[in-house]
Amino acid sequence: GENVGLHLPTLSVQEGDNSIINCAYSNSASDYFIWYKQESGKGPQFIIDIRSNMDKRQGQRVTVLLNKTVKHLSLQIAATQPGDSAVYFCAENVDSSYKLIFGSGTRLLVRP
Amino acid sequence: NAGVTQTPKFQVLKTGQSMTLQCAQDMNHEYMSWYRQDPGMGLRLIHYSVGAGITDQGEVPNGYNVSRSTTEDFPLRLLSAAPSQTSVYFCASSYSRGISNYGYTFGSGTRLTVV
Repeated sequence: GENVGLHLPTLSVQEGDNSIINCAYSNSASDYFIWYKQESGKGPQFIIDIRSNMDKRQGQRVTVLLNKTVKHLSLQIAATQPGDSAVYFCAENVDSSYKLIFGSGTRLLVRP
Repeated sequence: NAGVTQTPKFQVLKTGQSMTLQCAQDMNHEYMSWYRQDPGMGLRLIHYSVGAGITDQGEVPNGYNVSRSTTEDFPLRLLSAAPSQTSVYFCASSYSRGISNYGYTFGSGTRLTVV
C-alpha cells in the first residue's frame, strides 16, 4: 500500500535555531498534504497544508515545501521555541478522497 | 462549540469484552473518521464516514464496527476485545474536502488497554 515515511525519528535543536523536518511519500497520485503537531497526551493539531499544484506555502513561523519530482515534503520552523517540542506528522491525501495516510512521526526536542 | 468530543478518555477491558467508544462533533462536519495510534507510530485509519448513513473501511478495520445514524455522532464498536487492540484511538472530523484545506479536527483520544 501507499506509504508516507519520515527520514529522522528524532530531531534535537537549540532554542532560536531553525528546524527542518522531512517526509517522503511514495504515491504520485497524492494531491494534498498536511503537517500535524502532536503534544503528549493530546490529539494531532493542524499546522499547515499544501496542495500538489504548489511547491511552497508559508504560515506563521512555518513553511512547507513540496518537491513532487522526488516525492519529498518538508516542514521548516523558524526560531524554534520550547513550545514547539512535540511529535510532528506528515499526512497525505490520495486521489481526492477523504482518507489521510499518516507517516510515523518525528519527535522535535528543543534545547534551552 | 466543543469541537470533537471523545469518551471515555481511558478504558481497561478484559479479552473478549465488547465496548463502544463514543465520538461527537458539533461543527456540522460531513466527514468523520477513526484512527488508532500505537506507541511510536503514526495514525492508522480504521473506518470513516462521508455522511450520515454512509461508512467505509480504512486500513485496519478488522475487529471494529461503526455506524453513522446522525451527522454528529460516529461511535466505534469493539466486538470482542483483543490485546492487539490496545492503543490510543482518535476520532477526527472535517467539513468538506473542497478546494481549501480539509480542516481535520481531532479529538483528544481514548486510551484503551486490553488485558
